[in-house]
Amino acid sequence: EIVMTQSPATLSVSPGERATLSCRASQSVSSNLAWYQQKPGQAPRLLIYGASTRATGIPARFSGSGSGTEFTLTISSLQSEDFAVYYCQQYNNWPPVYTFGQGTKLEIK
Amino acid sequence: EVQLVESGGGLVKPGGSLRLSCAASGFTFSSYSMNWVRQAPGKGLEWVSSISSSSSYIYYADSVKGRFTISRDNAKNSLYLQMNSLRAEDTAVYYCARDFLGYCSGGSCPLDVWGQGTLVTVSS
Repeated sequence: EIVMTQSPATLSVSPGERATLSCRASQSVSSNLAWYQQKPGQAPRLLIYGASTRATGIPARFSGSGSGTEFTLTISSLQSEDFAVYYCQQYNNWPPVYTFGQGTKLEIK
Repeated sequence: EVQLVESGGGLVKPGGSLRLSCAASGFTFSSYSMNWVRQAPGKGLEWVSSISSSSSYIYYADSVKGRFTISRDNAKNSLYLQMNSLRAEDTAVYYCARDFLGYCSGGSCPLDVWGQGTLVTVSS
């Protein structure tokens, strides 16, 4: 099973600043990686797929990068609505056993 | 509007059973593989099960294999999860989620549409 590890567990950033979240896979997942945002009491929302492609309606301040085992989600200028928990997910294996990272909580500094 | 709405959650005793439903609307349900993903209170996301568009392919996480059964009824635009022999560790919000068709790797995909979730609590 591919294990996804996110760091840090909690990230404290001030509004307007940049946030950088990391996700590492225990083996290569190529570019088959997605990022999700989850706010309290809500379902996850797809932000990024294919490691770097923004989903429909996602603002340009969200960007993803990486391939293989190392991935990054960057939020260029944090808005109040961006404070949430972020999860990475790999979808590289067959049969499908989707694995998620444990999440990074992005909180207001 | 593309929408998934789960129902059927509730309080059940250990060893009991529960059947979750997910009603889909706003898209051609029969064209999509579907999934159940759960989230224990205060914890992260855990994939539970997947079913292909025609029910030909079904997969389960090891943690639920032999106890849970995923199914679908394309005529009713509905997805189901039959949960038997429930344990305290199955307590979670259960989400149904759609495969993001066209952006998959082999048969594995990101998940582009999620329901609001239904809470299952297993406790005596």
